[in-house]
Amino acid sequence: DAGVIQSPRHEVTEMGQEVTLRCKPISGHDYLFWYRQTMMRGLELLIYFNNNVPIDDSGMPEDRFSAKMPNASFSTLKIQPSEPRDSAVYFCASTPARAGGNNEQFFGPGTRLTVL
Amino acid sequence: RKEVEQDPGPFNVPEGATVAFNCTYSNSASQSFFWYRQDCRKEPKLLMSVYSSGNEDGRFTAQLNRASQYISLLIRDSKLSDSATYLCVVILFSGGYNKLIFGAGTRLAVHP
Repeated sequence: DAGVIQSPRHEVTEMGQEVTLRCKPISGHDYLFWYRQTMMRGLELLIYFNNNVPIDDSGMPEDRFSAKMPNASFSTLKIQPSEPRDSAVYFCASTPARAGGNNEQFFGPGTRLTVL
Repeated sequence: RKEVEQDPGPFNVPEGATVAFNCTYSNSASQSFFWYRQDCRKEPKLLMSVYSSGNEDGRFTAQLNRASQYISLLIRDSKLSDSATYLCVVILFSGGYNKLIFGAGTRLAVHP
């Protein structure tokens, strides 16, 4: 099994540019999560989807961030315009639905974003 | 106050040592608890669940104290390969789903 796939693995961009991060969850997983990790704030949940529908986006820092999941095998996280403080590692994770279960989340390798 | 707090470390220990990490959580409604491991520049991966009665997986022992709202991880006979960051994870039921809340992690460095 390929696991969660993220692209690109590294992204360097200039302030004001649009950045799009991509994620392919594990096939058959109904939940998809986007996290951001920094030294200062640790791992923060930005948004999660259930069956392609956004359920909780309360962690999205501001309107510059948006996420979509057009189908069960693909999701994007977009930052427009990007700012230097957005520099972080962005992880995507997925998990299967299991009634009443405390499901292990499977993380992708992350996208390391640097905004200059 | 953060929802999940951990000592950031680093804990520098020699091979063969026993090391313990603690984690405290603020929400008494927290339902389940885990330890994840994150290697340098890698993604987090599940290490083990934490059960109320305590549980062991080889050299690793996890304990939960609900009354005091803390979780611990004990590593015996440390190996060089144990060097990593250990993330304490608490689950809260939110929005119809069990939401994972991560601590900032405790860094462990095992040296020869």
